[in-house]
Amino acid sequence: SQKIEQNSEALNIQEGKTATLTCNYTNYSPAYLQWYRQDPGRGPVFLLLIRENEKEKRKERLKVTFDTTLKQSLFHITASQPADSATYLCALDELANTDKLIFGTGTRLQVFP
Amino acid sequence: GAGVSQSPSNKVTEKGKDVELRCDPISGHTALYWYRQSLGQGLEFLIYFQGNSAPDKSGLPSDRFSAERTGGSVSTLTIQRTQQEDSAVYLCASSWGGTVNQPQHFGDGTRLSIL
Repeated sequence: SQKIEQNSEALNIQEGKTATLTCNYTNYSPAYLQWYRQDPGRGPVFLLLIRENEKEKRKERLKVTFDTTLKQSLFHITASQPADSATYLCALDELANTDKLIFGTGTRLQVFP
Repeated sequence: GAGVSQSPSNKVTEKGKDVELRCDPISGHTALYWYRQSLGQGLEFLIYFQGNSAPDKSGLPSDRFSAERTGGSVSTLTIQRTQQEDSAVYLCASSWGGTVNQPQHFGDGTRLSIL
């Protein structure tokens, strides 16, 4: 069956360090992968989208990689700040180029000053 | 600008009652999605509307769940004869077009509690 795995354990890092979050998937061949941020009591907020033919995408302090051979995406936040503390969700299209996203359960990031 | 608006933000009701949850998408967005998020879980797809096409209802967990979208804008998710397992946060999202190369814009959800 199709499955998306994100580390269910919280990631705790010190301010200023780089946070790296992992999204692994099995039995998918997604054309797109998206990352969202979710704060407690709020809806997810879109951060970045990467296509299957893109290896890497950057936006300010954020960087996403997409390795279709490893079936993995890495999400990096450089120079992390306490304000980056949130849950980060990855999402894939269910089947290549369909209209539905399948979301992972998310990884909670805690950045300590 | 105005984002996706959901109402009510919280709803507490007794088991067996019907509930209606409302979603106002971003103006001009043709695609609208409903998800359910239980505590510590990911988003579970429920239903998807795209323009005037027939909705994709493949995620609705039972026939007690239904949704409609009037005039290609506002959507209502109805749960009949609520059960305790229906307790969750119900999230609505909208996007330009219906393809997954578009970001989805979410509301803050309706937190539903069934007593």
